[in-house]
Amino acid sequence: NAGVTQTPKFRVLKTGQSMTLLCAQDMNHEYMYWYRQDPGMGLRLIHYSVGEGTTAKGEVPDGYNVSRLKKQNFLLGLESAAPSQTSVYFCASSRTQTGQPQHFGDGTRLSIL
Amino acid sequence: AQSVTQLGSHVSVSEGALVLLRCNYSSSVPPYLFWYVQYPNQGLQLLLKYTSAATLVKGINGFEAEFKKSETSFHLTKPSAHMSDAAEYFCAVTSSGYSTLTFGKGTMLLVSP
Repeated sequence: NAGVTQTPKFRVLKTGQSMTLLCAQDMNHEYMYWYRQDPGMGLRLIHYSVGEGTTAKGEVPDGYNVSRLKKQNFLLGLESAAPSQTSVYFCASSRTQTGQPQHFGDGTRLSIL
Repeated sequence: AQSVTQLGSHVSVSEGALVLLRCNYSSSVPPYLFWYVQYPNQGLQLLLKYTSAATLVKGINGFEAEFKKSETSFHLTKPSAHMSDAAEYFCAVTSSGYSTLTFGKGTMLLVSP
């Protein structure tokens, strides 16, 4: 049982390049989330999805796009990477009922030069 | 609106000493509260959750937390710290009608021999 799997684990980009981070979950969860973690800032929600084909903005959505074409996958895209997007990115998923915990992947460390 | 405040970005204890990590929340409706732990270079793992069933919640690894509505607090405790408890701990809140979690900024627990 893999849980939540994030690909890749590490990546270095140059300013202006684009890339896509992939999140896959095998728990049949409806809800999926993308966070970024920066020192002293805790976790900040970028975008989330409450079901296949749906997406919504979180606290810090600017510069990112997402897609949820399949229930098990949630993609995070950076169209034109900026140094301010250097961070550790976490994906999470959960069931729909209120109060259900979120299950996290191991993160993607992204550096923008 | 919801918010979480974790008092102290770093807490240092000696091995065998009491661990107390503080969390205060703000929510206009009855909350669901969570504590997560993050070990270096890993994702977040659920320690315990409060969902109104009992005010004293027991979690994994000997941790527990008590929900105090009058104090809007959900402090995390462990009677005797182990070296393996050194990690970052996050408190989070959600409530009915919300599909997202609001995280505190985290508290790094340092355990010395």
